[in-house]
Amino acid sequence: SAVISQKPSRDICQRGTSLTIQCQVDSQVTMMFWYRQQPGQSLTLIATANQGSEATYESGFVIDKFPISRPNLTFSTLTVSNMSPEDSSIYLCSGKQLTEAFFGQGTRLTVV
Amino acid sequence: AQTVTQSQPEMSVQEAETVTLSCTYDTSESDYYLFWYKQPPSRQMILVIRQEAYKQQNATENRFSVNFQKAAKSFSLKISDSQLGDAAMYFCAYRSAEKETSGSRLTFGEGTQLTVNP
Repeated sequence: SAVISQKPSRDICQRGTSLTIQCQVDSQVTMMFWYRQQPGQSLTLIATANQGSEATYESGFVIDKFPISRPNLTFSTLTVSNMSPEDSSIYLCSGKQLTEAFFGQGTRLTVV
Repeated sequence: AQTVTQSQPEMSVQEAETVTLSCTYDTSESDYYLFWYKQPPSRQMILVIRQEAYKQQNATENRFSVNFQKAAKSFSLKISDSQLGDAAMYFCAYRSAEKETSGSRLTFGEGTQLTVNP
């Protein structure tokens, strides 16, 4: 299966600033997904990203807050904008290849 | 919409023994995939096992096996000869096999934290 390198692995940010998380896949994938995970809890889908089109956001998530780029079939970024302490969480990217889904290592974000 | 339920927030097992993690799901679809993922403290989500709904035979991967009951919408994971490295959060997940459905996203259960005691 493919391997996703996700950066940064963790960060501590000031409120009001933005952080961009990057995911690089070692092979082409049709779809990429971005999830948020509170510690000890399940994964919540933020959006689905396809190449060449705008991301599709889930209820409760908006593009202004979580802009996503997908410039090609091996790369995607998620930006967490105008951060507040409520955005402190783990963010994971995922890629779909045939029937398999695989994940990056996650980014632990702390907003202070 | 599909839902996935894991009713056991925490489970523990003695090393070398067997443990079963429960998962139920709700769907109106006939064709779908079910997965068990393992998430250790490193946060890396690792695929443990996969089951296609159209297959009657239960999937097996070494010490991991599932009991898939389609009519009951149940998908439990059995871990045999438990090892210390099996300690992790385990998530059950559902994905539609229908191409037009919601971009093929995964729907996750709440997770079961497994502790393995030496």
